[in-house]
Amino acid sequence: SYELTQPPSVSVSPGQTARITCSGDALPKKYAYWYQQKSGQAPVMVIYEDSKRPSGIPERFSGSSSGTMATLTISGAQVEDEADYYCYSTDSSDNQWVFGGGTKLTVL
Amino acid sequence: QVQLVQSGAEVKKPGASVKVSCKASGYTFTGYYMHWVRQAPGQGLEWMAWINPNSGGTNYAQKFQGRVTMTSDTSISTAYLELSSLRSDDTAVYYCARGGSSSSEGMDVWGQGTTVTVSS
Repeated sequence: SYELTQPPSVSVSPGQTARITCSGDALPKKYAYWYQQKSGQAPVMVIYEDSKRPSGIPERFSGSSSGTMATLTISGAQVEDEADYYCYSTDSSDNQWVFGGGTKLTVL
Repeated sequence: QVQLVQSGAEVKKPGASVKVSCKASGYTFTGYYMHWVRQAPGQGLEWMAWINPNSGGTNYAQKFQGRVTMTSDTSISTAYLELSSLRSDDTAVYYCARGGSSSSEGMDVWGQGTTVTVSS
């Protein structure tokens, strides 16, 4: 079955740049989506189609994709950005969607 | 505004079935796919299924095939997820989430989640 791989944790100081990676064999041909989930809340989409930012999401959130890796970048991370982040994409047939294992971002 | 409102928490015994609903508002229900995602306590997100409310077509994650059924009632803009032969490891929060206009698009808006507890 298809898998997306993320680092379990990333830690930065406030104001630094946080980068969270997601690797998957189908990513060269399929979009990646990124979701932020704070404790006890439903996920929120922060990036769609590799690099597009939904309205209402701060400009410090950006996304990119190259080859088999997608990257979520938070430029000037804030304490309120502490959350779990999940990448999400589909296999080459568009039939099986998968989430990465999630990355816990700590900002302190 | 686009909103997905899910049914309330459920407690079920092992071997039983559960049916969770997701009522959509603020957009054309038949114009977007609907997905279901679950999250076990302390675990990550797990995609389960999608439905195309316009055609009724469905697609299930391999892990759940044979145990999950996704349906929709376009007259009341509501999607349903039914999971049968429940086990203790089905205890989770179940979310519905609006997809795009095609099966290759991800999810943008999520419901509030429904907690399903499986316990004897």
